[in-house]
Amino acid sequence: GNSVTQMEGPVTLSEEAFLTINCTYTATGYPSLFWYVQYPGEGLQLLLKATKADDKGSNKGFEATYRKETTSFHLEKGSVQVSDSAVYFCALRSGSRLTFGEGTQLTVNP
Amino acid sequence: NAGVTQTPKFQVLKTGQSMTLQCAQDMNHEYMSWYRQDPGMGLRLIHYSVGAGITDQGEVPNGYNVSRSTTEDFPLRLLSAAPSQTSVYFCASSYSGSESGTEAFFGQGTRLTVV
Repeated sequence: GNSVTQMEGPVTLSEEAFLTINCTYTATGYPSLFWYVQYPGEGLQLLLKATKADDKGSNKGFEATYRKETTSFHLEKGSVQVSDSAVYFCALRSGSRLTFGEGTQLTVNP
Repeated sequence: NAGVTQTPKFQVLKTGQSMTLQCAQDMNHEYMSWYRQDPGMGLRLIHYSVGAGITDQGEVPNGYNVSRSTTEDFPLRLLSAAPSQTSVYFCASSYSGSESGTEAFFGQGTRLTVV
């Protein structure tokens, strides 16, 4: 079956540091890949997505590239802010189902 | 825009009690689903629906029932609550269940505690 593996958290960074959250996946066919973000007390919201190999999704300074050869979709941001503190979920869509990773808690300190 | 609305936001149940978590969306989405979120396990699919009158089981369906009588509503029923059902529950909807790149919209969640 499909699966998504994220780097273990939590991750704590200082403001303006570089962020990488690793995500690898196992799936049959050609899934779409997503990063969702969950701010405290809220539901998940889409951060970015990519629908085919070598696509780069980007939003709010975050980027991730769909790498089929390494089955990865790592999330990066060049300079994090305190307001980026949240839980980040990597997910894939294959057919009608979304499969999520475990989530990575990010805390950014001033 | 209301989007996906879940009620209640918090609930405490005693073991053996039943209850219904409500979910409504105003985006005319065909596909709706319920997830539970547990620490270290991400979101796991409980049940989903591809349209009014059609439902199917997800990854962890035991102890839960659903129905879809209208496009807008997708309630989740706990028949006899157990402590193992203590979790945060999210309802989600999307305009298509299978189209590549389809974004899912989530409600704010229901935090359920079973004592």
